[in-house]
Amino acid sequence: GAGVSQSPSNKVTEKGKDVELRCDPISGHTALYWYRQSLGQGLEFLIYFQGNSAPDKSGLPSDRFSAERTGGSVSTLTIQRTQQEDSAVYLCASSLVGTGGALRGYTFGSGTRLTVV
Amino acid sequence: QKEVEQDPGPLSVPEGAIVSLNCTYSNSAFQYFMWYRQYSRKGPELLMYTYSSGNKEDGRFTAQVDKSSKYISLFIRDSQPSDSATYLCAMKKETSGSRLTFGEGTQLTVNP
Repeated sequence: GAGVSQSPSNKVTEKGKDVELRCDPISGHTALYWYRQSLGQGLEFLIYFQGNSAPDKSGLPSDRFSAERTGGSVSTLTIQRTQQEDSAVYLCASSLVGTGGALRGYTFGSGTRLTVV
Repeated sequence: QKEVEQDPGPLSVPEGAIVSLNCTYSNSAFQYFMWYRQYSRKGPELLMYTYSSGNKEDGRFTAQVDKSSKYISLFIRDSQPSDSATYLCAMKKETSGSRLTFGEGTQLTVNP
């Protein structure tokens, strides 16, 4: 597609429920990233995919968070047993691989605004 | 302590003003520096990047890097109401692959 597409754009869920957030990157972008943005924290790195593998998942805050990517394209971020502190905007980005790709800029989606009540 | 520090503002200026936005960082391993702009309810978009100390200019925007002081700046000349957004600095280490470390972002409002 022309840009990075994320769905849903908004999600309200009850504490303890599981949620799935979807990201459809730009075609041809091998690198895919998930970040979390909350007030006072800026963009917090969660996980990086190169193709279907995740060489860097060091930012996942707990084992309740997991992500996968299939076909080198769509990625899903799953949060199990959601907590109120999980409320944030979850941003997905894609880029070409490597330093050059990162410097040319990530293309971000508009994010999923998650509210846990 | 965060690796990248950025004053969140908010910053409010009149139209036409020169705006100065800044970030400091603690790790000298950061070698590449970027500025992103984020409009409300949108994802950030790349404005500029640089990898050397000194100035880089693009239209009304100038990015400045001082590696010896671990300090970067973004200047906006002749600011416009359409520049109202959150500005995030981002940095990359040579060894971090494609991963970026972002500042918290500074919220800017340019008043007509």
